[in-house]
Amino acid sequence: GIQVEQSPPDLILQEGANSTLRCNFSDSVNNLQWFHQNPWGQLINLFYIPSGTKQNGRLSATTVATERYSLLYISSSQTTDSGVYFCAVERVNGNQFYFGTGTSLTVIP
Amino acid sequence: AAGVIQSPRHLIKEKRETATLKCYPIPRHDTVYWYQQGPGQDPQFLISFYEKMQSDKGSIPDRFSAQQFSDYHSELNMSSLELGDSALYFCASSLDRGNYGYTFGSGTRLTVV
Repeated sequence: GIQVEQSPPDLILQEGANSTLRCNFSDSVNNLQWFHQNPWGQLINLFYIPSGTKQNGRLSATTVATERYSLLYISSSQTTDSGVYFCAVERVNGNQFYFGTGTSLTVIP
Repeated sequence: AAGVIQSPRHLIKEKRETATLKCYPIPRHDTVYWYQQGPGQDPQFLISFYEKMQSDKGSIPDRFSAQQFSDYHSELNMSSLELGDSALYFCASSLDRGNYGYTFGSGTRLTVV
């Protein structure tokens, strides 16, 4: 399979702070998505971003496919941002997602 | 917009019982995937179907089976349940084998007691 590593594994932020989450992967991919798993277990799709940069409100993501990494930026964090953030990738010619081990984010008031 | 629908949301079963989880993909999506997420773990791929045929197989136990029906909904059948099967089970669907991204359902939380 493909190795997907996320860092940091845990992150505690004060409300209003900014953060960068990283996802490294070991092979060429044609699909990369960032998910937020909320405390109720729901996996919320944040970005479909196999390459390039996207922004959605306080969140943005950048994938540099040639260097096999992706970054998720969270600005002005809020307590509702707490949860686990997963990066998941699909290899070129593959047909399944491989999840990283996640970054557990806690935003404190 | 319609999402991936999973049922039931919660399920409690005793050891050695059977369970059936259902997944209704987004309309016109042709691929369905099943994932298992144990406590504190990342989701692990179980099995996928493309156009009602099994497409790929991951770490799915022999006690589990799945199929995709003519209306594209899928069912995951789990027999001889064990305590270790307690997990969150996700279904995802995609169009054209994920070339436009995957959409996940809200999951079924299975507890085996």
